[in-house]
Parts: sequence; structure tokens; C-alpha cells
Amino acid sequence: GESVGLHLPTLSVQEGDNSIINCAYSNSASDYFIWYKQESGKGPQFIIDIRSNMDKRQGQRVTVLLNKTVKHLSLQIAATQPGDSAVYFCAGTYNYGQNFVFGPGTRLSVLP
Amino acid sequence: EADIYQTPRYLVIGTGKKITLECSQTMGHDKMYWYQQDPGMELHLIHYSYGVNSTEKGDLSSESTVSRIRTEHFPLTLESARPSHTSQYLCASSESQGGEKLFFGSGTQLSVL
Repeated sequence: GESVGLHLPTLSVQEGDNSIINCAYSNSASDYFIWYKQESGKGPQFIIDIRSNMDKRQGQRVTVLLNKTVKHLSLQIAATQPGDSAVYFCAGTYNYGQNFVFGPGTRLSVLP
Repeated sequence: EADIYQTPRYLVIGTGKKITLECSQTMGHDKMYWYQQDPGMELHLIHYSYGVNSTEKGDLSSESTVSRIRTEHFPLTLESARPSHTSQYLCASSESQGGEKLFFGSGTQLSVL
């Protein structure tokens, strides 16, 4: 079946360092991906999205890279701050208009 | 900030009780969703709706039911709660065009004793 997954369940980084969170997907027809951030006790919050006709998209301190050849995407957070500590999810749609498939989260811990 | 609201935030009830989890959005979105999430785990889609009078079951089998009588309101009902229903329930909405991002509520943490 369809799957979207993350490589690591936890990631610890020093404050000020860059963070990279990875995600793999199984369906080559996937055409739209989103990264979400979920803080404790809250619902997921949109961070950044990317469509399959792009391989890179940048936001404020965040960059998403999409490699369709190996069906992999990553979220890069520059100058990681304590407020970035959360669980990060990637989600993808496998047909335009279909429901999203969510991967298991990666818990990012920022060390002082 | 997304305008989607869920109540209650926390609910502790006994086995066999009927409960309704409320979800409302003020963005005029046609599509609405209910997800179930265990702590730190992925989200599983249990119900969704394309608009008024439209409801569909999601990927994860659920004993809950939903209704969509008004665009802004998408309540989820459990007729007889069981301990296996203990989980977090997240409501979300999106614009009618496919592939658009989901806006999530803060969730309802349900504990069934």
C-alpha cells in the first residue's frame, strides 16, 4: 500500500546548528508534499509544501528538497532554535485531489 | 492562524457512554477530515467530507460516525465508547481544490476508562 515514512524517530541538535529531517515515500505518482510541525498538546501546523514539478522550495529558515528519482524529501531548518523542538511529519498525496498519507513523526530536540 | 476549533480539548468518560466531539471552521472550506493519532505517532484518517451531506470513511476502520449538515460543522460521534477508543482526535479542513494544505484544530484528547 501507500506509505510515507521518516528515517529517524528522534533527532537531537545543538542550538544554532542546522537540522535535517528526512522522509521517504513509496508511490512515484505522489505529486504534492507537506511538512507539518506538531508541538505538545497542539494540532499539526503547516510549515512548507512542495509540488512534484519542483525540487526545492525555501521558506523562512526552512528548505524542503524533493528527489523524485529516489522518492525522498527532506526538511532543512537553519539555525535551529529551542522553539523548533517538536514532532515533524511529512505527508503526501498520491493522486491530485486524494487524501494525504502521513508518515510517522520525527521528534526534534534542540540542546542548549 | 487557522480558524478551526475543536471541543472539548480533554474528555474522560466511562465505557459505554455516547460522546460527540465537535469541530467547527470559519474558513468556508468544503473539505473536512477527522484523524486519529496516538502519542507521537502518525495520523490515521478515519472520516472525511467533501461538503454538505457528503461523508466518507477513511483508511483506518473506526466505530465512530460523522455528519455534515452545515459547511462549517463536522461532528464525530461514538455511540458506545470503549477503552480502545482512547486516543487523540484531530479535525482538519482544506479548500475544495485537491492537493491544498490541511488546517488542523488543536485536537481532543479522549480517555475512556
